[in-house]
Amino acid sequence: EVQLVESGGGLVQPGRSLRLSCTASGFIFGDYGINWVRQAPGKGLEWVSYIRSKPAGATTEYAASVKGRFIISRDDSKNIAFLQMNSLKTDDTAVYYCARKGFSGNFFDFWGQGTPVTVSS
Amino acid sequence: DIQMTQSPSTLSASVGDRVTITCRASQTISRWLAWYQQKPGTAPKLLIYKASTLEGGVPSRFSGSGSGTEFTLTISSLQPDDFATYYCQQYNGYEGTFGQGTKVEIK
Repeated sequence: EVQLVESGGGLVQPGRSLRLSCTASGFIFGDYGINWVRQAPGKGLEWVSYIRSKPAGATTEYAASVKGRFIISRDDSKNIAFLQMNSLKTDDTAVYYCARKGFSGNFFDFWGQGTPVTVSS
Repeated sequence: DIQMTQSPSTLSASVGDRVTITCRASQTISRWLAWYQQKPGTAPKLLIYKASTLEGGVPSRFSGSGSGTEFTLTISSLQPDDFATYYCQQYNGYEGTFGQGTKVEIK
C-alpha cells in the first residue's frame, strides 16, 4: 500500500526556519517525483515545489512565492523527501502535503495526510 | 503563468442530481488536466487525470471531458459521499496550478 507521511510541522516565528519530512513506503521511491502542496486555512490548494526522480535528474522547481527561501531535496536510500523552509513569513501558514507525481504527468496520485505549519510571533 | 478558473464556486444539489463543474485555463493545456475531491480535514484524492481518465477505484458516476482551455467534471447521479470540494489542476508544465475549488453542498 502506498503511504506518504509528513512530519516536522509546528509553530515558528517569522524569519525562522523549519524542515518538513515526507517518508514514503509501499512503492519504489526512487522512481517517482515528489511534490509539496500547501493549503492555507480556509483556502484552496497551492503547488509549492517539485523534485524529479534521480533517473530524471533530481532537478527541482519552485513556485514564485517560495523561490529563494525553500529548498526541496530527497534521500532515496531512506525513502524520504524534505522541504527546508527558510525566512518564513506569516503567509506561509498552511497545511503542507507531500504528493507523489503521477507516472504519466505531474498530477498527484497519492497524498500524505499533511503537516500543519503556523508562522506567528 | 497559467491561471485556472473554476465555476461555480459553490453548488447546491440534491442526492441523485446530475452535477457539472467547469474549469477554464488561461492558455491551452491540451488534455493535461486532473480533478481532485477533498473532504474537510483530509487530503485531496485524485479522481481523474489527462482530462478524462478515471483513477482506479473511482466510481464510474464521475467523468471528465474537454481539451485546450475548457474542461468539465460531471457527477451523473450525486451520492451522499460526494458532498465535498472539487479542484481542477493543470499540469502542462512542472507547475501544477489549481483552480480555486468548487464546494458541492447539500440543497
